Amino acid sequence: EPEVTQTPSHQVTQMGQEVILRCVPISNHLYFYWYRQILGQKVEFLVSFYNNEISEKSEIFDDQFSVERPDGSNFTLKIRSTKLEDSAMYFCASKGQTSNTGELFFGEGSRLTVL
Amino acid sequence: QKEVEQNSGPLSVPEGAIASLNCTYSDRGSQSFFWYRQYSGKSPELIMSIYSNGDKEDGRFTAQLNKASQYVSLLIRDSQPSDSATYLCAVIGRGSSASKIIFGSGTRLSIRP
Repeated sequence: EPEVTQTPSHQVTQMGQEVILRCVPISNHLYFYWYRQILGQKVEFLVSFYNNEISEKSEIFDDQFSVERPDGSNFTLKIRSTKLEDSAMYFCASKGQTSNTGELFFGEGSRLTVL
Repeated sequence: QKEVEQNSGPLSVPEGAIASLNCTYSDRGSQSFFWYRQYSGKSPELIMSIYSNGDKEDGRFTAQLNKASQYVSLLIRDSQPSDSATYLCAVIGRGSSASKIIFGSGTRLSIRP
């Protein structure tokens, strides 16, 4: 069964360092997403990506964040200068159908710990 | 006003009973609605999707949608201990937010043996 894969599963970094989280969406999917979940809190929308550009982004997704689909298979989230409050689980998800329908398929997540 | 609201629980239900989970949403033009289950430390997994008013059944799960009341619910019949998890309601907005899928904060369900 096709699945979304994420690497690394856990990353520990120092405050101020750059972090890149990687995702391989399901191959025939068209919409890609990053969500984050701070421990014990809700799943928060960060950004959606379609046709090689950002479709929507939340207030959380400020200039410190960027996304890229560098090679047609990977979908990356970069945090330029991490802060303590960036510590969270980051989920990548993909969706295959038109924008108003279709279900999200999530990866297992990348846990980011900022010290 | 929160976009998707859920009672955080915990909701405790005896094994074999019906668990009822509720969700309200603020965007009247929303067209697509989903229920996800999330076990502690794991990613959300899709249980049900519903797009039209009324009921949709899949095994022990029934999703109910009332667009006039902006209300979505999930019924779990014959609750099992393995159903103990956090249940997330998710909504796709319309128009410029059509690709933005918003989650509620989740309802923690506990099935007691």
